[in-house]
Amino acid sequence: ETGVTQTPRHLVMGMTNKKSLKCEQHLGHNAMYWYKQSAKKPLELMFVYNFKEQTENNSVPSRFSPECPNSSHLFLHLHTLQPEDSALYLCASSQVWPGIEAFFGQGTRLTVV
Amino acid sequence: QKEVEQNSGPLSVPEGAIASLNCTYSDRGSQSFFWYRQYSGKSPELIMSIYSNGDKEDGRFTAQLNKASQYVSLLIRDSQPSDSATYLCAFMNYGGSQGNLIFGKGTKLSVKP
Repeated sequence: ETGVTQTPRHLVMGMTNKKSLKCEQHLGHNAMYWYKQSAKKPLELMFVYNFKEQTENNSVPSRFSPECPNSSHLFLHLHTLQPEDSALYLCASSQVWPGIEAFFGQGTRLTVV
Repeated sequence: QKEVEQNSGPLSVPEGAIASLNCTYSDRGSQSFFWYRQYSGKSPELIMSIYSNGDKEDGRFTAQLNKASQYVSLLIRDSQPSDSATYLCAFMNYGGSQGNLIFGKGTKLSVKP
């Protein structure tokens, strides 16, 4: 069982759809993160949760809505996305925030059509 | 805007050679620096961290940090085809977004047998 698990691995959705990405970590960490990785761009931090509390919203559009019900689970709810939102969405966790070593999940490859 | 600059490559080296990956960063106050390796279609994996000026060695990997020049590098000795991946440089931003990792775009390394 990997440390950080993301589902689904691939997702194709229309611009009017609503979908959710799920992340689960089995490392006993207290901080979880959502990152966006687009082609030819650096990894962009989207959200940070520390002990279930959101500590960072990096100017992310409201069509992305995170949810952290407990320290082990993190969701990213998606609605009315745009084609430019197509990217690899990576979840990560660390022991605490600020965290030195972040462990990443395998990512969800999202395509918006 | 705090940034990390990396040559996107691809950097091609023959098997057994030394691969040298370079990175510059804009935040003079940064204290922590990291190298992540990302295989195609996989998530980033932390391979080296360095916090003080000088060299840090771990097996075939050596990280070098020069804070005065705002420069960090990664040397891979005896390069193997399995080292072919994208290498992401990152630093910890302790400024306004306290304690978050800032990533570069990555350098793609190809080790030819």
